Amino acid sequence: DTGVSQDPRHKITKRGQNVTFRCDPISEHNRLYWYRQTLGQGPEFLTYFQNEAQLEKSRLLSDRFSAERPKGSFSTLEIQRTEQGDSAMYLCASSLGTGWYSPLHFGNGTRLTVT
Amino acid sequence: GENVGLHLPTLSVQEGDNSIINCAYSNSASDYFIWYKQESGKGPQFIIDIRSNMDKRQGQRVTVLLNKTVKHLSLQIAATQPGDSAVYFCAEKREYGNKLVFGAGTILRVKS
Repeated sequence: DTGVSQDPRHKITKRGQNVTFRCDPISEHNRLYWYRQTLGQGPEFLTYFQNEAQLEKSRLLSDRFSAERPKGSFSTLEIQRTEQGDSAMYLCASSLGTGWYSPLHFGNGTRLTVT
Repeated sequence: GENVGLHLPTLSVQEGDNSIINCAYSNSASDYFIWYKQESGKGPQFIIDIRSNMDKRQGQRVTVLLNKTVKHLSLQIAATQPGDSAVYFCAEKREYGNKLVFGAGTILRVKS
């Protein structure tokens, strides 16, 4: 499978715990995005990397959230001191950023439930 | 937050009929638009995209129409099949930047 891979698929955690999600993009894609999606809503942009550089962060990304892409390949999204409001599907997407804009290819997400 | 298309309507169609899913966007500076299909438990799947310098683009069984005058985007699906049942999202890219802004989606139900 050469698509975007996310791990884990599901995560249940207690409020106050830290969680970390991993995303492996399509191998030749240099752009990587994190989105969050709640039930009945479209995905909301969180942050975006071009290679290893984090170029844009949403106001939604509070100081409890941090994302990294250390070698310009896989990325991690960490949420510290989780809150019930963090419960959502966390989606990763990648694209090939050369010339004109190219479509984002999404993974199947990590569903986080905070109890 | 930012949204394109503020509702989550449901469209029910008979198998074999054509479907039209509509989306209104608010930012006239957007220069790229895209439709995604999302099935339960999966991530959004790319269907078709269109740049702002075009008003129509066709794919396999799908057509996207862009009307910049009224800031309206539509997705036409020909000969709708049960496998087309899903939530459909439109998204836009603002002129300067690389992120997509999504609408709330439309549920498509295909009746056999």
